[in-house]
Amino acid sequence: SQQGEEDPQALSIQEGENATMNCSYKTSINNLQWYRQNSGRGLVHLILIRSNEREKHSGRLRVTLDTSKKSSSLLITASRAADTASYFCATDHSGSARQLTFGSGTQLTVLP
Amino acid sequence: NAGVTQTPKFQVLKTGQSMTLQCAQDMNHEYMSWYRQDPGMGLRLIHYSVGAGITDQGEVPNGYNVSRSTTEDFPLRLLSAAPSQTSVYFCASRSIRRVNAETQYFGPGTRLLVL
Repeated sequence: SQQGEEDPQALSIQEGENATMNCSYKTSINNLQWYRQNSGRGLVHLILIRSNEREKHSGRLRVTLDTSKKSSSLLITASRAADTASYFCATDHSGSARQLTFGSGTQLTVLP
Repeated sequence: NAGVTQTPKFQVLKTGQSMTLQCAQDMNHEYMSWYRQDPGMGLRLIHYSVGAGITDQGEVPNGYNVSRSTTEDFPLRLLSAAPSQTSVYFCASRSIRRVNAETQYFGPGTRLLVL
């Protein structure tokens, strides 16, 4: 069964606004990763946050991790129409033989 | 580097037919894996390999076989296709030996339709 669950399932915003997506998981992790998937394409890695980190930034992306609540959030600031895609969180669990477990994703639509 | 490549991009099969989905990577990654993605869902792990000659089952292995004779290639075989195997299949690879190299690299996917 899938470990990560994203919330919301779908999000529609105007260009320039911020987009926030959340991910919850069930068991201890080594790290949590966010991936992006454009329609009909493969997944592209965005950012990784380790279990001993609480916040990480990369360009317009900000990721937070709360291991006590087993949750993470991805914030995209100043969104652009080109940010329209599905976003997935993936968890790398302790003792999982390097497997990543993916959530069901958030479909983000940024309207011009 | 070509990264992770997959062939074919699209395939139509009849129930009961067999086929092999090809995956290759040129990054010398030890770890390779196959996922399937169904509409509105995330990726589910089918099989994975941590090196040549070593394979193991993921979450949904039934109906699929894999082998890893070389570091570069990791084919996925459908033994007797069923409509339930209609999906998009993604191959991915990552390094194990390099420190701080947990990122997975994905291929473009193979869309499979089983009639």
